[in-house]
Amino acid sequence: QKEVEQNSGPLSVPEGAIASLNCTYSDRGSQSFFWYRQYSGKSPELIMFIYSNGDKEDGRFTAQLNKASQYVSLLIRDSQPSDSATYLCAVNLPNQAGTALIFGKGTTLSVSS
Amino acid sequence: DAGITQSPRYKITETGRQVTLMCHQTWSHSYMFWYRQDLGHGLRLIYYSAAADITDKGEVPDGYVVSRSKTENFPLTLESATRSQTSVYFCASKGREQYFGPGTRLTVT
Repeated sequence: QKEVEQNSGPLSVPEGAIASLNCTYSDRGSQSFFWYRQYSGKSPELIMFIYSNGDKEDGRFTAQLNKASQYVSLLIRDSQPSDSATYLCAVNLPNQAGTALIFGKGTTLSVSS
Repeated sequence: DAGITQSPRYKITETGRQVTLMCHQTWSHSYMFWYRQDLGHGLRLIYYSAAADITDKGEVPDGYVVSRSKTENFPLTLESATRSQTSVYFCASKGREQYFGPGTRLTVT
């Protein structure tokens, strides 16, 4: 059973702090990794993707990938109340339609002002 | 406008009725997907399609039927709706990355 694991939270951080969201996956063949943000009642929105080991930065967001440890993380710097949402980690399934994603159940982030 | 749309956005139906959820994308993406999202289960893949006339089952396909006669459309049909199919349904399409439609909230009474 292919799995993607996330702490459900809630993760609570004060405004301006760094929020760290973590994700582990079971399939060593996974090659693509994604972070989606989902506001309550809305659809998931792609915010970051990473394909290679290391860090990838986009504005206040940094995705980190360690394939040896099967670990993906998302850092949100200078957290804002508008970042309060559920963050979904997704991993591709190799050889499954070439592209099918398996999602974790999400981590709820709450940023207090 | 370019993107992915779903209709209807909200639907209430009765047990045993057939209902079809529509999905349309304007990117000409080859891959399209249907997910359902439930509390405690997260997003689960129902069916996917690699191209027109090519579909395959995902994790939870029972009770659902899909078709894809045109690249841009990927309808999902519940042949005889059950209460357990009350959920939020998301369609997605994928080029290099995967993008979701706005969702359909389905209630089966």
